[in-house]
Amino acid sequence: LAKTTQPISMDSYEGQEVNITCSHNNIATNDYITWYQQFPSQGPRFIIQGYKTKVTNEVASLFIPADRKSSTLSLPRVSLSDTAVYYCLVDPGGFKTIFGAGTRLFVKA
Amino acid sequence: EAGVAQSPRYKIIEKRQSVAFWCNPISGHATLYWYQQILGQGPKLLIQFQNNGVVDDSQLPKDRFSAERLKGVDSTLKIQPAKLEDSAVYLCASSLVDRAAMFFGEGSRLTVL
Repeated sequence: LAKTTQPISMDSYEGQEVNITCSHNNIATNDYITWYQQFPSQGPRFIIQGYKTKVTNEVASLFIPADRKSSTLSLPRVSLSDTAVYYCLVDPGGFKTIFGAGTRLFVKA
Repeated sequence: EAGVAQSPRYKIIEKRQSVAFWCNPISGHATLYWYQQILGQGPKLLIQFQNNGVVDDSQLPKDRFSAERLKGVDSTLKIQPAKLEDSAVYLCASSLVDRAAMFFGEGSRLTVL
């Protein structure tokens, strides 16, 4: 089971780019990396998934170095509504997936 | 496209009583998951279904928890008898196939008194 380590919390200001790094030293060869966002009183919401290098969608980018022992979620120009908990997962789905405590991002005006 | 539907949203019961939660996944999603999320923690997987078969239930407290997925669509999670430590949000999620992105419902918040 690949364990992930993320910062417990981060603060940012509106309009800034936020980078949240996740370490996963024992990631397996065929494991994907997935990030979820969770607001209070809601279920987690899928943000982005990747295997290597860089993946970008309309809300975020995911950077994965060649050794795949870490990954960075990049949120461009955050707003107050991006205040949430962000979870990094390795091998999404099933009993191998472990949600850690996540990173609590607080965006200030 | 309709999301994952769960009910009830809130439930308060006394310890030793029973409770059932219902989930309707996204149409066409073969994989269904039940997670338990205790306040301040990340979700913890209880059971995973592939169609109507159980893929993994190793973290389900089988002495009090049970789950079924009839006809490979809707699913029900039951707790009997409930304990104080069962107070949590029970999240249902579905995915097209295993290891694909999961889509979660809003959850059912259980308070055991």
